[in-house]
Amino acid sequence: AQKVTQAQTEISVVEKEDVTLDCVYETRDTTYYLFWYKQPPSGELVFLIRRNSFDEQNEISGRYSWNFQKSTSSFNFTITASQVVDSAVYFCALRAGSGNTGKLIFGQGTTLQVKP
Amino acid sequence: GAVVSQHPSRVICKSGTSVKIECRSLDFQATTMFWYRQFPKQSLMLMATSNEGSKATYEQGVEKDKFLINHASLTLSTLTVTSAHPEDSSFYICSAIWTSGRGAYNEQFFGPGTRLTVL
Repeated sequence: AQKVTQAQTEISVVEKEDVTLDCVYETRDTTYYLFWYKQPPSGELVFLIRRNSFDEQNEISGRYSWNFQKSTSSFNFTITASQVVDSAVYFCALRAGSGNTGKLIFGQGTTLQVKP
Repeated sequence: GAVVSQHPSRVICKSGTSVKIECRSLDFQATTMFWYRQFPKQSLMLMATSNEGSKATYEQGVEKDKFLINHASLTLSTLTVTSAHPEDSSFYICSAIWTSGRGAYNEQFFGPGTRLTVL
């Protein structure tokens, strides 16, 4: 079975605080991809990052960073110095399966509210 | 990146009517498209996988006779909600797979979503 768990339903922080969004996944496939998406109130999904199962290097992109640890099946997302514009729902997703066209399994989402 | 459009972006209809939602890949051909449904404050749930020229594959619990999917061309998939009822009110999102080449990673692009309200 494939599953993505985002245990944090809602997080509220004050602007400039750092915040980490947790993501734990389950899959039996050895080849898989992990994603993070941002969904602002408009509803459109914004792609943030993709990571494949063979690349455990952490990644930093501006104020965003991701920590991928296969040993704990986690792919956590940290926003440094949060801003009000970061307020949104964030989804972690897993893509596994054959043919390189596997469907995405989404976590429940974490609603982040950044207060000024 | 590649662009996927959906039309309409928002639709309000009366109970019992059918509603068609279009999903188009604007600058690439998509052999595979996916349809997701998202209820308020919930996650995206995959409804079906749409493959060009063949019948859609529905996820467990999704009524194929109620949610008709047609993927008639490499750039267009349609979802028709037949005899819509208030419980079908939701945010419907499509995505399309861009096949970049043999053995390469196939990127998935999402449409902006269609908000359906059934009165």
